[in-house]
Amino acid sequence: DAKTTQPPSMDCAEGRAANLPCNHSTISGNEYVYWYRQIHSQGPQYIIHGLKNNETNEMASLIITEDRKSSTLILPHATLRDTAVYYCIVRPNNNNDMRFGAGTRLTVKP
Amino acid sequence: GAVVSQHPSRVICKSGTSVKIECRSLDFQATTMFWYRQFPKQSLMLMATSNEGSKATYEQGVEKDKFLINHASLTLSTLTVTSAHPEDSSFYICSARGGHANTGELFFGEGSRLTVL
Repeated sequence: DAKTTQPPSMDCAEGRAANLPCNHSTISGNEYVYWYRQIHSQGPQYIIHGLKNNETNEMASLIITEDRKSSTLILPHATLRDTAVYYCIVRPNNNNDMRFGAGTRLTVKP
Repeated sequence: GAVVSQHPSRVICKSGTSVKIECRSLDFQATTMFWYRQFPKQSLMLMATSNEGSKATYEQGVEKDKFLINHASLTLSTLTVTSAHPEDSSFYICSARGGHANTGELFFGEGSRLTVL
């Protein structure tokens, strides 16, 4: 039972920033926002996660709104290899399982 | 990040036979692993939670007698699809929590594609 809403698909030009939105209006205070991506016929790959502060790593940036009801994953310079399905998931950090919604299919075009 | 490996990556079997898929955590110990199934153009669906040294916990609608899970060590969980039928053809993916338990992220295997003829 996914607690997030994402657009089903998005396109992005190669070299430009890809901004992927996620709504999680029912998020609880102890729930983190996680982002994974799945390239065709591979297992999901962890990207980033955060609680309330914005986060950045070598792959992406995560911007979480102040009310925590939505977030945006930013790929600063998208490449063709970033074409994948991107999943936004909310769950407590001490929770074991991770449940996936439908995700956003990002297509990076030359 | 932590590494989770699955074997085989692809398997084709005849209807009625059983197939075993292995999931290993290569550089960390995992007391809990998870098994997912993914049909074409669909998202991942959690099948069961595999606990080292105890019985697995299955999600509603998943037959425990058909999908046997064994987690005999801290680095290995196996999923056996018994008496496989064509409708069991799917992409099976395992995951485990990383070595730093308080960071929360799960690491996923490469997946195993099962085709039942």
